[in-house]
Amino acid sequence: GAGVSQSPSNKVTEKGKDVELRCDPISGHTALYWYRQSLGQGLEFLIYFQGNSAPDKSGLPSDRFSAERTGGSVSTLTIQRTQQEDSAVYLCASSLGTNTQYFGPGTRLTVL
Amino acid sequence: AQSVAQPEDQVNVAEGNPLTVKCTYSVSGNPYLFWYVQYPNRGLQFLLKYITGDNLVKGSYGFEAEFNKSQTSFHLKKPSALVSDSALYFCAVRDTYSGAGSYQLTFGKGTKLSVIP
Repeated sequence: GAGVSQSPSNKVTEKGKDVELRCDPISGHTALYWYRQSLGQGLEFLIYFQGNSAPDKSGLPSDRFSAERTGGSVSTLTIQRTQQEDSAVYLCASSLGTNTQYFGPGTRLTVL
Repeated sequence: AQSVAQPEDQVNVAEGNPLTVKCTYSVSGNPYLFWYVQYPNRGLQFLLKYITGDNLVKGSYGFEAEFNKSQTSFHLKKPSALVSDSALYFCAVRDTYSGAGSYQLTFGKGTKLSVIP
């Protein structure tokens, strides 16, 4: 079946611009996660959505980062006023309840 | 707080030899443990997990891992390495302690496995 998909696969932007990254989870999965993978920091948790509950935003590094999940399915991660330290691969994962998380291919963000 | 350590940045092994990638963890409650593999420019691919039950867990592509509670370890193993196993391997933990918060995974820094022909 279809896995987690993410778009775009690559994004190059200029410092100070806003970007939106999209995640389509596996159909029927109730939980959705965003992680960031960078050379210096490894894999870091950003935000978690579970059903209609309030999201866990404890991993967001600053108020420039936000995410929403519409209709319990697609999610968008928005980074405002991008900085060079935001350059990383942004990974989305989904799971059925609290079971195994399945990851998408990621979006590579480069901030010039 | 939960944490994972992968003490080796890189592991080199000859094709056909057994391989081990080490992982130790720290949690407040009982752990859920996972191994993922990442090929270049790809996302993370699930290999196997330990939730409860038998300490020896078998997963995809002939990989297995042994949960050792006393040593807080979850080492990944394979009896005979293939060149195609060369990739980046991540160990991850979720703490089941009720005060641990939501269900995000905490990852180790990753171990690069190189299988030499």
